[in-house]
Amino acid sequence: AQSVTQPDIHITVSEGASLELRCNYSYGATPYLFWYVQSPGQGLQLLLKYFSGDTLVQGIKGFEAEFKRSQSSFNLRKPSVHWSDAAEYFCAVGEGGSQGNLIFGKGTKLSVKP
Amino acid sequence: DAGVIQSPRHEVTEMGQEVTLRCKPISGHDYLFWYRQTMMRGLELLIYFNNNVPIDDSGMPEDRFSAKMPNASFSTLKIQPSEPRDSAVYFCASSRPTGVVTGELFFGEGSRLTVL
Repeated sequence: AQSVTQPDIHITVSEGASLELRCNYSYGATPYLFWYVQSPGQGLQLLLKYFSGDTLVQGIKGFEAEFKRSQSSFNLRKPSVHWSDAAEYFCAVGEGGSQGNLIFGKGTKLSVKP
Repeated sequence: DAGVIQSPRHEVTEMGQEVTLRCKPISGHDYLFWYRQTMMRGLELLIYFNNNVPIDDSGMPEDRFSAKMPNASFSTLKIQPSEPRDSAVYFCASSRPTGVVTGELFFGEGSRLTVL
């Protein structure tokens, strides 16, 4: 069965520092991978996605993620964090060919220190 | 375009009462999803529809939960009778039809349900 693990429940970084949020997945075939962001009191918004091709994908708001098949990972990165990036971040895996069931990780809450 | 619209935003009810949550997807989207978010279990897919037809309801926790999509612009999630453990934020999301997974689900702002 598909699963997604986000090992860090809560991360605090200083504004301007770099950020890496970890995501590991379990899936038999090549997964479709996603990162979503949720601001307080809001729904989720897609940051970026990986289907195939270049394993380094760029997203909105200056985020990027790298798919590493050997490590079953899809970590999210940003070189310089802004205070407005404080939110909860969710990694998700989807089944190819199906517009349906995304399995979400439990999320990583990001706090940004001034 | 308006986004996914959910109502009510907040609902407080007593155990045993019926709860109905409503969702209007983005116009032109053929897929509609209901998710539940709790601290303990995170985001769980309850059910999703394609062209108003339920495709997978395996995530619906029990018979107390039911969902309908009578037309392309409206869906309901009903809990009857409600229990305190149903307290959660319920999200509706919609997406466009394509030949492959796009992954871009457009989420509403959620309905926060508290069952006392």
